[in-house]
Amino acid sequence: SQKIEQNSEALNIQEGKTATLTCNYTNYSPAYLQWYRQDPGRGPVFLLLIRENEKEKRKERLKVTFDTTLKQSLFHITASQPADSATYLCALAGNTGKLIFGQGTTLQVKP
Amino acid sequence: NAGVTQTPKFQVLKTGQSMTLQCAQDMNHEYMSWYRQDPGMGLRLIHYSVGAGITDQGEVPNGYNVSRSTTEDFPLRLLSAAPSQTSVYFCASSPFRVPMNTEAFFGQGTRLTVV
Repeated sequence: SQKIEQNSEALNIQEGKTATLTCNYTNYSPAYLQWYRQDPGRGPVFLLLIRENEKEKRKERLKVTFDTTLKQSLFHITASQPADSATYLCALAGNTGKLIFGQGTTLQVKP
Repeated sequence: NAGVTQTPKFQVLKTGQSMTLQCAQDMNHEYMSWYRQDPGMGLRLIHYSVGAGITDQGEVPNGYNVSRSTTEDFPLRLLSAAPSQTSVYFCASSPFRVPMNTEAFFGQGTRLTVV
C-alpha cells in the first residue's frame, strides 16, 4: 500500500543552525510534492511545492529537494529561528485527485 | 477574504448522535476535501470533491457522508457518531480539479469529541 513516512521524533536544534526534515514514500509515483507548516491549534499552511522533474526549489530560507529515485524529499530551513518551531508536513499529489499527507515532524528551535 | 471557514470550532457529541460539520470557501475553488487529524497519524483524507455534484472517497471514508451541491459548500455528515470519530477535522480547498500543482488552503479545524 502507499506509504508516506516522516520522522515521528521531534527535531531539536539550536538557533542559527540548519534544520533538515525528511519525507520518504513507497508504492507511489507522485507528480508533485508539497510541504506545509502547522502551528498548534491551527490548520496547515502551504510553504513550497516541487515537481517530479525538479531537483531543488528555494524560497527565502527554505530549500526542498525531490529525489524520485530514492523516493525521498528533504526540507531544509537555514539560519533557523525560534519562530520556525512548528510541525512540518509533506504531502504527495499524483493524478488521482488525492493529496496525501505524512504524519509530520515537529521542529523545536532553541534560542 | 474569509478563505475556508469551518463551523463549529468545537463540538461534543454522544455516541449515536448525528451532526454535520460545515465548510465553506469564497475563493471559487473547484477542489474541496475533508481530513481528520489524530495524534501520530497525520492528516488522513476522508472524502474529496472535484466540483459541484462530484464526490469521491479518500483513505478513511467509513462513517462519513458528503455532498457538493454548490461550489462554495462541502458539508461532512456523521450519521451515527462513534468514539473512534473523536478527532480534529480539517476542510481544505484548491483552485483546480486536480490539486497537484497548487497549494491547498485549510480551514481552522473542528475539534470533535464523541463520548
